[in-house]
Amino acid sequence: QVQLVQSGAEVKKPGASVKVSCKASGYTFNIYGITWVRQAPGQGLEWMGWISAYNGNTNYAQNFQDRVTLTTDTSTRTAYMELRSLRSDDTAVYYCSRGEFSSSSAYYWGQGTLVTVSS
Amino acid sequence: QSALTQPASVSGSPGQSITISCTGTSSDVGGYKYVSWYQQHPGRAPKLMIYDVSNRPSGVSDRFSGSNSGNTASLTISGLQAEDEADYYCSSYTRSNWVFGGGTKLTVL
Repeated sequence: QVQLVQSGAEVKKPGASVKVSCKASGYTFNIYGITWVRQAPGQGLEWMGWISAYNGNTNYAQNFQDRVTLTTDTSTRTAYMELRSLRSDDTAVYYCSRGEFSSSSAYYWGQGTLVTVSS
Repeated sequence: QSALTQPASVSGSPGQSITISCTGTSSDVGGYKYVSWYQQHPGRAPKLMIYDVSNRPSGVSDRFSGSNSGNTASLTISGLQAEDEADYYCSSYTRSNWVFGGGTKLTVL
């Protein structure tokens, strides 16, 4: 069965960077892209970007264009999301996800990774 | 990219039907047939309920249905059940990006 397993919770100081991993299993990794979505405490979902696991092409949300980098490692079937210059309002649960029926929807989700930014 | 507009909350009694709206623009909801709806219970990852405006993934109850008219998409839940109480989010494809709605809290009275 398809599984996306994310790395554990992180605590970072303002200005630091964080790299969250998302290890995929149960399917051919390079056929599907990975989408990253975040959710601040008590807030809604926010789309961050998408990466093709086939060729590494990326699309980033304008809000994160200059601070986020999405990558994949096909040898380990793992996707990564790196966010730089962290601020307190980056405190959120970060999710990786994958489509199944449509490239514009997310059917499989990771369990989420809480990133806390605090001095 | 501006978020899609959803009502903050809706409520209904068991057995009733409710509809959640999701209003965007001709650049997103009105321009593409790529609207999705997600259900999220507290502390859980979102669950896909509707994709491409009106399609249900296998395993999702047929009590959930989606539609689109102009720049507004809608999610209708019929025969409300207690377990439907959750947050619901719409999303739309737009120019190589996605945009989400602000979310709607559904309360089953």
